Amino acid sequence: SQQGEEDPQALSIQEGENATMNCSYKTSINNLQWYRQNSGRGLVHLILIRSNEREKHSGRLRVTLDTSKKSSSLLITASRAADTASYFCATHNNAGNMLTFGGGTRLMVKP
Amino acid sequence: EADIYQTPRYLVIGTGKKITLECSQTMGHDKMYWYQQDPGMELHLIHYSYGVNSTEKGDLSSESTVSRIRTEHFPLTLESARPSHTSQYLCASSELGVYYGYTFGSGTRLTVV
Repeated sequence: SQQGEEDPQALSIQEGENATMNCSYKTSINNLQWYRQNSGRGLVHLILIRSNEREKHSGRLRVTLDTSKKSSSLLITASRAADTASYFCATHNNAGNMLTFGGGTRLMVKP
Repeated sequence: EADIYQTPRYLVIGTGKKITLECSQTMGHDKMYWYQQDPGMELHLIHYSYGVNSTEKGDLSSESTVSRIRTEHFPLTLESARPSHTSQYLCASSELGVYYGYTFGSGTRLTVV
């Protein structure tokens, strides 16, 4: 069953604008991760945030985690055409066996 | 640049054929995974392994099997391909422990006709 659900399913913005994607999950987690997938390719790990962290930054990426609301957001600032991809959140449950992925947000950045 | 390799990249095969999708990683990771993904959809875990001689089934019921005879190699076999197996298959690996991201291969896009 799907643990994470991304919102929106699709997002179209102009180059230079910020993009925000949200992820909600159902059960307690150990950590939450965000991945990017270019069309037809494998996923690339972007950032991991632990359950005891509230915010994390990596370059133009900012991730927040609210465990009370079971939600996370990914912000991409000053977007570029090259950021066009699908973005997935994935959660590690407390048993830590494997990651469970959501359905993804398809981001299109127009030049 | 990924250090995990999947072959073939694309495969078109007839119904009833036996196929093996190859996955190899050079990072020495203990954990390896196979996910199935329909275009634009979520990933479903079909098999995973903690190390040599360890294999487990994932959440998605699958008619495939895996083996882990060497740390670096985690092939997926379909004994009798069906059109319902048409999908993209993604292999991934990670270090033991939960605070590690996964490294994915580029995937095998399988079409069964």
